[in-house]
Amino acid sequence: DAKTTQPNSMESNEEEPVHLPCNHSTISGTDYIHWYRQLPSQGPEYVIHGLTSNVNNRMASLAIAEDRKSSTLILHRATLRDAAVYYCILRDVNYGGSQGNLIFGKGTKLSVKP
Amino acid sequence: DTGVSQNPRHKITKRGQNVTFRCDPISEHNRLYWYRQTLGQGPEFLTYFQNEAQLEKSRLLSDRFSAERPKGSFSTLEIQRTEQGDSAMYLCASSSSGTPNVLTFGAGSRLTVL
Repeated sequence: DAKTTQPNSMESNEEEPVHLPCNHSTISGTDYIHWYRQLPSQGPEYVIHGLTSNVNNRMASLAIAEDRKSSTLILHRATLRDAAVYYCILRDVNYGGSQGNLIFGKGTKLSVKP
Repeated sequence: DTGVSQNPRHKITKRGQNVTFRCDPISEHNRLYWYRQTLGQGPEFLTYFQNEAQLEKSRLLSDRFSAERPKGSFSTLEIQRTEQGDSAMYLCASSSSGTPNVLTFGAGSRLTVL
């Protein structure tokens, strides 16, 4: 699976939008972009995923660049509960021969100030 | 269904002892994963089951580690002759065949080896 690059940390104010970037310049045409987040003392939690088109769900929006070499996770109104480590992960739709292995990097630690 | 359940949540043991962790996945999920996470790092893949078959094992899964999923439901991860380097959070996750990359994680079992 191709590699992703994320900032180590970001800060946001409560009730403001947050844009979490992810670069994946070596993405292949069959790679899905997944986002997970991990709240303190909990296991990771699925947030959203997409292939080419922008995606929205109740948790967040995913904006994918036209060339797919970058994407942005958008939290529309950050709350204190959104303080977590956010992981951007690429996953080949055909698994690249490995069905079990989601490769987590270090992610972006998001802090939310009241 | 209350999600993925892991027990025990915390385990402190002395070097050289054996420990076993249990994971109860979401009942309709046929895929089960084990990951390990050390402080400040993202989760690292250990092994993956589809039903009762163990289909993938990471190089991280040394001979002292064994995982089973005997009836395709709950799974156990045993570590024999524990070493201090085994201290970590052990995470279990499950997913369905329909959405294989949407993993639901448990809260993890934290192991401390003294």
